[in-house]
Amino acid sequence: QKEVEQNSGPLSVPEGAIASLNCTYSDRGSQSFFWYRQYSGKSPELIMFIYSNGDKEDGRFTAQLNKASQYVSLLIRDSQPSDSATYLCAVEGGQGFSFIFGKGTRLLVKP
Amino acid sequence: EAQVTQNPRYLITVTGKKLTVTCSQNMNHEYMSWYRQDPGLGLRQIYYSMNVEVTDKGDVPEGYKVSRKEKRNFPLILESPSPNQTSLYFCASSLYLAGDSRQYFGPGTRLTVT
Repeated sequence: QKEVEQNSGPLSVPEGAIASLNCTYSDRGSQSFFWYRQYSGKSPELIMFIYSNGDKEDGRFTAQLNKASQYVSLLIRDSQPSDSATYLCAVEGGQGFSFIFGKGTRLLVKP
Repeated sequence: EAQVTQNPRYLITVTGKKLTVTCSQNMNHEYMSWYRQDPGLGLRQIYYSMNVEVTDKGDVPEGYKVSRKEKRNFPLILESPSPNQTSLYFCASSLYLAGDSRQYFGPGTRLTVT
């Protein structure tokens, strides 16, 4: 059974701090990795995607991928209260258009 | 505006009464997918479609049907809904070109089966 694991949280950080969210996955054949942000009752919103080992930066967000360790992370710099949400890690499986989502990490940014 | 739309947004129905949740995208995406989201279980893929008339099962296909007769539409059909299908459902689409498999989600349909 392919799995994506995330700490459910809540992860609480003060405003302006760096929030670090982590995700591990079981399928070594996975090629594509995504981070979605989901506010309560709303649909997931794509914020970062990464395909290659290393870091990828977009504004305040940095995604990090280590395929050898089967680990992907998301760093949010200068965290804002509006970043308070659940962050979903998603991994594309090796077959077809299949995706496995983690259960999400709830982030709380305190003013 | 590029978007994925779903209808209805909220639905309360009774066990065994057939229903269809519609999904439409205006981005000319090849790939579309249905998910359900349940507390403690996260998002789970029900079915996906890679093109017109091409569909395949996800992780939790039991009790659901789909069809893809037009590129823009991908309805989810529950022929005999049961209470364990009470959930929040999301449709998503993706261009899936040159390895780009980013998905864009619709607003969700909250279904209650009594």
